[in-house]
Amino acid sequence: DAKTTQPPSMDCAEGRAANLPCNHSTISGNEYVYWYRQIHSQGPQYIIHGLKNNETNEMASLIITEDRKSSTLILPHATLRDTAVYYCIVRVNNNAGNMLTFGGGTRLMVKP
Amino acid sequence: EAGVAQSPRYKIIEKRQSVAFWCNPISGHATLYWYQQILGQGPKLLIQFQNNGVVDDSQLPKDRFSAERLKGVDSTLKIQPAKLEDSAVYLCASSLSHGSSGNTIYFGEGSWLTVV
Repeated sequence: DAKTTQPPSMDCAEGRAANLPCNHSTISGNEYVYWYRQIHSQGPQYIIHGLKNNETNEMASLIITEDRKSSTLILPHATLRDTAVYYCIVRVNNNAGNMLTFGGGTRLMVKP
Repeated sequence: EAGVAQSPRYKIIEKRQSVAFWCNPISGHATLYWYQQILGQGPKLLIQFQNNGVVDDSQLPKDRFSAERLKGVDSTLKIQPAKLEDSAVYLCASSLSHGSSGNTIYFGEGSWLTVV
């Protein structure tokens, strides 16, 4: 799986949008971008994934650049409960059950 | 829909003792993963099962770790004998591995192991 680069930490004010960047300059054409988050003492939680089009669900939006070399996860109105480590992972999405390879992630601190 | 279930949630053992962790994946999920997460690091894959067969166990320390998924549903991960450096969270995860939307991996809450 391709390597991703994320800032180690970020702060965000409560109620504001949190924009978490991820670089994946060596991503292959068949690799998707996945985002997970891990709140303290819990298992990783799936947020969203995409291939090349922007995606949105009830948790977040995913913006992937046209060249697919970077992406941004957007939490539109961050709350204190969004404080967590956010992992950006690239992974081939097929029926072979390819594993997730985690990096260090971004520690997001949402402040009142 | 029930999530991935793991037990025990917390375990403290002395070094050289043995411990076993149990995982029940989401119903119908063919693929099951065990990850190890040391404090301050991202999770690292130990072993991956597809139904009851091992797909990847290249990162499993086989001299002390073993895992099985005999009937293709529940799985157990065993450590014997435990070392201090095995102190970590052991995460079980599963995926459907079938169909266009079946590849998302879902994690359990983890089993926290402290070896003293």
